Amino acid sequence: ETGVTQTPRHLVMGMTNKKSLKCEQHLGHNAMYWYKQSAKKPLELMFVYNFKEQTENNSVPSRFSPECPNSSHLFLHLHTLQPEDSALYLCASSPLAGGDTDTQYFGPGTRLTVL
Amino acid sequence: ILNVEQSPQSLHVQEGDSTNFTCSFPSSNFYALHWYRWETAKSPEALFVMTLNGDEKKKGRISATLNTKEGYSYLYIKGSQPEDSATYLCAFVSGTYKYIFGTGTRLKVLA
Repeated sequence: ETGVTQTPRHLVMGMTNKKSLKCEQHLGHNAMYWYKQSAKKPLELMFVYNFKEQTENNSVPSRFSPECPNSSHLFLHLHTLQPEDSALYLCASSPLAGGDTDTQYFGPGTRLTVL
Repeated sequence: ILNVEQSPQSLHVQEGDSTNFTCSFPSSNFYALHWYRWETAKSPEALFVMTLNGDEKKKGRISATLNTKEGYSYLYIKGSQPEDSATYLCAFVSGTYKYIFGTGTRLKVLA
């Protein structure tokens, strides 16, 4: 039990749909992250939230919209996605954001397929 | 563009064998190196955080070394067991929020 949960675990959506991914951490951490892993590529950091404030956006297209209502919850809102956005989306949390030695605790991911 | 390379991409070993694999990273702007273990259909799990040149860390049968001057880290598994089968990821930290992951080494331990 990792303390970081993600729902749904699998999602299939059309290009015109709007959907949201949810992440919840039960570890009392202050930082949360969204990562993307495309096939045969390394994990790519998308967004970082520290104390509910977005502190990093790694040039992610606006069709991905994050939301962090509190330190325990993180959402990724999806709209008008492209087939190349199909990937595994991982959420993580850590005690502090920006801590180089801070261990990140990952959720199991949401496998997204865009048709 | 900073690259993190892991080798080999995959390997199969027999139960009881010892094995090791490599994470190569830029030798400049080093802040930290993380190792993670990722079993299929599960969450990546942190193994080690390494910060100092010459660092050696150990957890059970798994250990890691770090050479920041030449830009590499080794992960060793002694007496591999089937439950060690997983993908092992390294992540190079080059600054605040600057995490660069490798593509991982996929290990399969045959019983």
